[in-house]
Amino acid sequence: EAGVAQSPRYKIIEKRQSVAFWCNPISGHATLYWYQQILGQGPKLLIQFQNNGVVDDSQLPKDRFSAERLKGVDSTLKIQPAKLEDSAVYLCASSTTGKNSPLHFGNGTRLTVT
Amino acid sequence: TQLLEQSPQFLSIQEGENLTVYCNSSSVFSSLQWYRQEPGEGPVLLVTVVTGGEVKKLKRLTFQFGDARKDSSLHITAAQPGDTGLYLCASFINSGYALNFGKGTSLLVTP
Repeated sequence: EAGVAQSPRYKIIEKRQSVAFWCNPISGHATLYWYQQILGQGPKLLIQFQNNGVVDDSQLPKDRFSAERLKGVDSTLKIQPAKLEDSAVYLCASSTTGKNSPLHFGNGTRLTVT
Repeated sequence: TQLLEQSPQFLSIQEGENLTVYCNSSSVFSSLQWYRQEPGEGPVLLVTVVTGGEVKKLKRLTFQFGDARKDSSLHITAAQPGDTGLYLCASFINSGYALNFGKGTSLLVTP
């Protein structure tokens, strides 16, 4: 099966600019996640979707981050305006809805904010 | 959110050596997953442990879940350069499907 696709792979922007990341999950996976991974740390959940509804966005900085999953398939994550501390790898993952289902991750987008 | 502590943070060994990395929490895990992340890639699931005292083997990797389900360990026998990567333990957030990750153990195996 095709894996989780993310684009772009790399992005460099200046602070206060905006940026968007795209994710296409594995076909048939109802649940989609965005994680932020800062260098030297484990991934931190930003938002979880079940189909096109938000399940958990408690750790999403909503003053600057937004995400949507139209039609319950692809998803975009946007940052506006970016700050230096947003420099990180943004990982998208998808899973089925069964208990203990593994998360399947994309290779991420590495964002550098200068 | 359950705090997962992993140790050691970094480990550099030579090919052929054995090693163990640990994952601990102050509260009980309902289940625990171990992932490996190679540079430039996303994490990939290695194993899920559910039952206290459970031991699972994956070739040269042995995973153990503590009897009280508050800790887990990963033992690698005769490490190879291909084992290099970031080893992450993760537990499920509340009763949902999202995962909470530890900071990971970064392993480097040199020939």
